[in-house]
Amino acid sequence: AQSVTQPDIHITVSEGASLELRCNYSYGATPYLFWYVQSPGQGLQLLLKYFSGDTLVQGIKGFEAEFKRSQSSFNLRKPSVHWSDAAEYFCAVSPTSGTYKYIFGTGTRLKVLA
Amino acid sequence: GAGVSQSPSNKVTEKGKDVELRCDPISGHTALYWYRQRLGQGLEFLIYFQGNSAPDKSGLPSDRFSAERTGESVSTLTIQRTQQEDSAVYLCASSRTGGGSNQPQHFGDGTRLSIL
Repeated sequence: AQSVTQPDIHITVSEGASLELRCNYSYGATPYLFWYVQSPGQGLQLLLKYFSGDTLVQGIKGFEAEFKRSQSSFNLRKPSVHWSDAAEYFCAVSPTSGTYKYIFGTGTRLKVLA
Repeated sequence: GAGVSQSPSNKVTEKGKDVELRCDPISGHTALYWYRQRLGQGLEFLIYFQGNSAPDKSGLPSDRFSAERTGESVSTLTIQRTQQEDSAVYLCASSRTGGGSNQPQHFGDGTRLSIL
């Protein structure tokens, strides 16, 4: 079955520290891959996306993600976290043809310590 | 408009009442999606519109839930005879096209529905 796994429900980091959020997917073929961020009381904002080509993609707010086909992973990274990065982060996949549904992970809630 | 707009932002109603949630997608976006997000959980797909048609309603949890879209624009999600388990944030998203294209979905801020 198609699925997206975000193994870390909560992560706490100190401001200025580096961050890596994990995402693994189970899919028949390489899908389109996305990371979204959701601040409290708000909708989801697209951070970055991978469709093809360079496996390291840059996004907004200083985030980047690396697609690793062999590991079926699409981990999100940031070299230095800011307090304003505290939010919930969702990984999502979408097929490259046929249907249109996103499959979302259950999210990782990030807490940033001052 | 500049972004996806949803109204109301918050709705509190009594069990058994009907509610209507509205979504205004980004102008020109042909695909529109509804999701439900229960507290502390991920997003649950409800329904997808391509234009005014809904090729996939498989995520609607029961026949109390229905949705329509008119003018390839505004969409309304209706929940009849609300139950407490309907309490959630209902998110709407739109994209330029659907059908597995590489157009990302853009989300509204959601409607927080609370059933007393």
